[in-house]
Amino acid sequence: DAGITQSPRHKVTETGTPVTLRCHQTENHRYMYWYRQDPGHGLRLIHYSYGVKDTDKGEVSDGYSVSRSKTEDFLLTLESATSSQTSVYFCAISENGGIDTQYFGPGTRLTVL
Amino acid sequence: AQSVTQLDSQVPVFEEAPVELRCNYSSSVSVYLFWYVQYPNQGLQLLLKYLSGSTLVKGINGFEAEFNKSQTSFHLRKPSVHISDTAEYFCAVSDRENNFNKFYFGSGTKLNVKP
Repeated sequence: DAGITQSPRHKVTETGTPVTLRCHQTENHRYMYWYRQDPGHGLRLIHYSYGVKDTDKGEVSDGYSVSRSKTEDFLLTLESATSSQTSVYFCAISENGGIDTQYFGPGTRLTVL
Repeated sequence: AQSVTQLDSQVPVFEEAPVELRCNYSSSVSVYLFWYVQYPNQGLQLLLKYLSGSTLVKGINGFEAEFNKSQTSFHLRKPSVHISDTAEYFCAVSDRENNFNKFYFGSGTKLNVKP
């Protein structure tokens, strides 16, 4: 299994509070991704990174920001959490971008009350 | 942007029966196609992928898929399912936008294998 960890694995927070999710990899892969998974929607791309300090938006980026200061870490921040951001968040990594396999972390279940 | 359609949200099937999970995508000049499986409370694992070459692709656990460019389909098949195949299956398409390949996922198909 690819070395990908996510923290925390579960979090309950209140509307309006900031939340940061962390993805850590030990594979030295260049590409990292954040997805959210919601019933009936599959996985939707939030943000992705193609190198240290190089990031771009995905299809559902509103309300989220990311940072990547090191190859191994990719942080997802909800500046002011809303109930619509209750979801399961997955981090993924890839060595060669979209032409190659993405390896997924175990997920973080976030509940915003 | 691509759209990926998995028409069947749930597929019930008896053990040892064959199964086909359908996947269609928007047309594109060239795409890469993937099937992932997700077991309860876990992340996604790659089943198989099509990048080029033979249109029939074999994956892990006895699954295979066939790429049909004219029908923009990439259906997943298994000739005889086991209880352990009960999981959710996602079709994904990688398409190039702005010099970057982005992944688009279908909404998933839950395969329920009954004894």
